This record gives sequence, C-alpha cells and structure tokens, in this order.
Amino acid sequence: AQRVTQPEKLLSVFKGAPVELKCNYSYSGSPELFWYVQYSRQRLQLLLRHISRESIKGFTADLNKGETSFHLKKPFAQEEDSAMYYCALSGPKEGFKTIFGAGTRLFVKA
Amino acid sequence: GAGVSQSPRYKVAKRGQDVALRCDPISGHVSLFWYQQALGQGPEFLTYFQNEAQLDKSGLPSDRFFAERPEGSVSTLKIQRTQQEDSAVYLCASSRDRINGKLFFGSGTQLSVL
Repeated sequence: AQRVTQPEKLLSVFKGAPVELKCNYSYSGSPELFWYVQYSRQRLQLLLRHISRESIKGFTADLNKGETSFHLKKPFAQEEDSAMYYCALSGPKEGFKTIFGAGTRLFVKA
Repeated sequence: GAGVSQSPRYKVAKRGQDVALRCDPISGHVSLFWYQQALGQGPEFLTYFQNEAQLDKSGLPSDRFFAERPEGSVSTLKIQRTQQEDSAVYLCASSRDRINGKLFFGSGTQLSVL
C-alpha cells in the first residue's frame, strides 16, 4: 500500500538553528510529493511541491528516489516557522487522491 | 469565493443522532475531497468527487457515512447514527482538477459525539 511516514511527532529547535523534518514514502512508481503546513488557528495549506523545485519561506525539499525520502529543510529556523507540517503524496496508483503522513510539530524556541 | 468554506465550524451531537456537514469549494474547482482528521493524526482520505460524480469512496469507514455533490459544487457529508469514534475534524478540500494535486482546504468541522 502507498504510505507516508513522518518519524518525528515533535521537533524542537532554537531560533537560527538548521531544521530538517523527515519524510519517507512507499510508492511503486513516481508520485508527486508535497509538504503542507498548518499554523496555529489557520487552515492547512500547501507549502511546497517537488515538481516546482521552489523555495518557500526559506524551506526546500529534495526528492531522493533511491531512499524514497522527501525531507524538508531550512538552514536557519525562525519562531514563525512553528507549526504542524504534513508530508503528502499523490499519484495515479491512488487515483490521484492525496495521502498524508501523521505530521510533525515544529517548535522553534527563542 | 475567497476560499473553501465549511459549516458548521463546530458540531456537538448525541450518540445516535444524524449530522450533516457542508462544504462550499472554490468556484470552478472540479475536484472535491473529504478527509477525517483524528486528534494527533494526519488527514485520512474519505471520499472524492469530480464534478457531481463520486469517483472514490474507499475511505468511508462504514455505511453510516454518505457524501453527495448533486450539482457539482456544494457537497454534504452525512453521518447517520453517530458514534463516539466518529468524533474528529472533518476537512474538505478542493482543487482545479484531479491531476493538479494542489489542494485548498477549508477550516474544517470539529465533530464531537457525546
């Protein structure tokens, strides 16, 4: 079955420190990978997607097909990055419905 | 509209009651998805519509759950004879088309079954 695994439920870092949120997936084929973010009292929203190869709010994510990973990285964390982050995948094997991981709560300390 | 709109924002139901949750997607969005999010978990897929056609309902947990989108716009998720395990946040999302992949979410309906 297609699956998204986020091994860390909580990640706590100091402001200015690098941050990496881990995501591994199980999918036979070429899925599209996403990171969604939910800030406090806001709705879930797309942060970035791998096909866009963009950097949003300083975050980047590289798809590693060999390791089936799509880790989210930022070199210098900011307090406003504190939020819930969800890794997700979509592809034809799932009828293009999006499957989410359980999420990682990032807490950036001052 | 400005975004995906869901109502009610909160719903408290007694066990055994029927509930109806409404989703108004972004105008022109062909695809509409319903997800269930339990506390501390990621969104779990329930069902998906392409216009008025329900193309996938594999995630509906039981036959007490029913969804419709009769005119290809507003959708309603109905839960009959609610049980405590139905307590969760129900999220609606829409996208321009099925393959596009980018989902726009509503604020969700938090359902509490007592």
